[in-house]
Amino acid sequence: DVKVTQSSRYLVKRTGEKVFLECVQDMDHENMFWYRQDPGLGLRLIYFSYDVKMKEKGDIPEGYSVSREKKERFSLILESASTNQTSMYLCASSSQTEWGQETQYFGPGTRLLVL
Amino acid sequence: AQSVTQLDSHVSVSEGTPVLLRCNYSSSYSPSLFWYVQHPNKGLQLLLKYTSAATLVKGINGFEAEFKKSETSFHLTKPSAHMSDAAEYFCVVRSGGSNYKLTFGKGTLLTVNP
Repeated sequence: DVKVTQSSRYLVKRTGEKVFLECVQDMDHENMFWYRQDPGLGLRLIYFSYDVKMKEKGDIPEGYSVSREKKERFSLILESASTNQTSMYLCASSSQTEWGQETQYFGPGTRLLVL
Repeated sequence: AQSVTQLDSHVSVSEGTPVLLRCNYSSSYSPSLFWYVQHPNKGLQLLLKYTSAATLVKGINGFEAEFKKSETSFHLTKPSAHMSDAAEYFCVVRSGGSNYKLTFGKGTLLTVNP
């Protein structure tokens, strides 16, 4: 079974803090993704990576950055947390062998509260 | 460009009655279409996907969806709802092309009443 783990289920941070969210997958997937999920808005893509050290912006990259130094790990960084970044953050991974029809496998999510 | 519209934000059914969750999509290329389910406090799980093979796709837990190109629809159905089906359901589109991006609908919350 594919396993995607996220470093924390719940986080509380203060405005202006630098926040790191970590995601690890154990299936040697090439692609990794970070989404945020807000009520009534569904999932919105923040960033994705299709290879080590490679990244592409999603729909809402402002205020975020990412790092992929190893294939299994994809980090989301909030450089200076703001209250409007309070949200559920979901990490996902997928394999390029299913190109065009990749199933994404999701982690359990990190619920971030910025005070 | 690609987009997806889930026509109902909330659907309520009685246990044992049919479920219909509606989804329309637009895509510049031949799409792949997915339905994901999210149970409370859990991550998203794939229910089923359409990838240009059979237009009627069967998924887990008795769900199925039919791809109708002429109607640009991919509605999710189940003949008989179970209490454990209560969850949020997301319709997702991925256009062909070099980008791995999925576009998610806003979700439909399914409530199952005893």
